[in-house]
Amino acid sequence: DGGITQSPKYLFRKEGQNVTLSCEQNLNHDAMYWYRQDPGQGLRLIYYSQIVNDFQKGDIAEGYSVSREKKESFPLTVTSAQKNPTAFYLCASSATRRRRSYEQYFGPGTRLTVT
Amino acid sequence: AQSVTQLGSHVSVSEGALVLLRCNYSSSVPPYLFWYVQYPNQGLQLLLKYTSAATLVKGINGFEAEFKKSETSFHLTKPSAHMSDAAEYFCAVSDRDTDKLIFGTGTRLQVFP
Repeated sequence: DGGITQSPKYLFRKEGQNVTLSCEQNLNHDAMYWYRQDPGQGLRLIYYSQIVNDFQKGDIAEGYSVSREKKESFPLTVTSAQKNPTAFYLCASSATRRRRSYEQYFGPGTRLTVT
Repeated sequence: AQSVTQLGSHVSVSEGALVLLRCNYSSSVPPYLFWYVQYPNQGLQLLLKYTSAATLVKGINGFEAEFKKSETSFHLTKPSAHMSDAAEYFCAVSDRDTDKLIFGTGTRLQVFP
């Protein structure tokens, strides 16, 4: 059963701590994305990766870091430098334009609360 | 650069009434367009997509959308609302150079009995 998994569903951290959010996909997709969602706002792109060992900053990359060591995995680290980290984080994946497929498939999300 | 505008952050309808959620886009090239639905505390689910084939696109749960190039619109409709349609809906346009999707700010649909 193919899909995207994110863990954990809910995460609580103290201010000043780094935290890593997991994202795994078994869809054999080349591209993966991280979004942040705040109440009343749309999705804002944090980072994206079109191929293993390569990634690009999105619109709000400051205070975040990623890695893409494996095609299936794209973990996101929220660092202590992120000034307002409490949010709902969504991971997505897509086949590349080479395969003429642009739609993104989303995981269930991780709600991060920092106090 | 591509952009998406969703008119109306909140839409309320009665059960059984027509659902109309508006989306206008700007794109310098023929776009790929998408509608997603999000239920509370869940990820986004693809409702339907337009990829330059038929201009009237049918999706899941009885939804459909019509691509109108002259109006740069891709409005989402459903003839008869159901209570289970209450959710947030996002319109998105593809950036073909980067594989990114550009999302609108979303429309929350409420359905009253």
